[in-house]
Amino acid sequence: DAGVTQSPTHLIKTRGQHVTLRCSPISGHKSVSWYQQVLGQGPQFIFQYYEKEERGRGNFPDRFSARQFPNYSSELNVNALLLGDSALYLCASSLADSGTPTFGSGTRLTVV
Amino acid sequence: AQSVTQPDIHITVSEGASLELRCNYSYGATPYLFWYVQSPGQGLQLLLKYFSGDTLVQGIKGFEAEFKRSQSSFNLRKPSVHWSDAAEYFCAVGLTSGTYKYIFGTGTRLKVLA
Repeated sequence: DAGVTQSPTHLIKTRGQHVTLRCSPISGHKSVSWYQQVLGQGPQFIFQYYEKEERGRGNFPDRFSARQFPNYSSELNVNALLLGDSALYLCASSLADSGTPTFGSGTRLTVV
Repeated sequence: AQSVTQPDIHITVSEGASLELRCNYSYGATPYLFWYVQSPGQGLQLLLKYFSGDTLVQGIKGFEAEFKRSQSSFNLRKPSVHWSDAAEYFCAVGLTSGTYKYIFGTGTRLKVLA
């Protein structure tokens, strides 16, 4: 079975640009969460979606937004990129909103 | 506020030696506790989890962890380390009310000497 799939795997953007990261959950999983992992740190929670509704949001500015589609895949959007947005962005999916998440391999975003 | 502390940033052990990685948490309610491992450039792989019941939990790859409520700790152990265990290890608390998010520690990087 396919695990959590994230695309692209690597991305380089310029300050001020916009970026969209994509996540396909494990088949049957209805909850998707996004985490930001800055180099040398643990992952930090950004969003959780369940059944296409936002269930939680971490301490991130409004430049960060996300959505979940009817097929449960998800997009994370970041506007007006800053150098500090450079990080590994991890997507995780679970069967239910309270289920143990399975993480994807992440998208490495570099802002220059 | 909820938090997870991993006091050891780096740990170096010889192959075949025993290992203990420390984790302390701060959370008012009964915690869901997890250990994840991350190889360079990779995502997180779940090693084990504790929800309730027996405080000694077994995980994959020969790892185990013990939940001690009185010490707010959830230390990870392995009796004999293999070179392939070199990676970064993260302890996490799963919040059980409201948003189901996970609070991660800053990680412990394990180096294994041949």
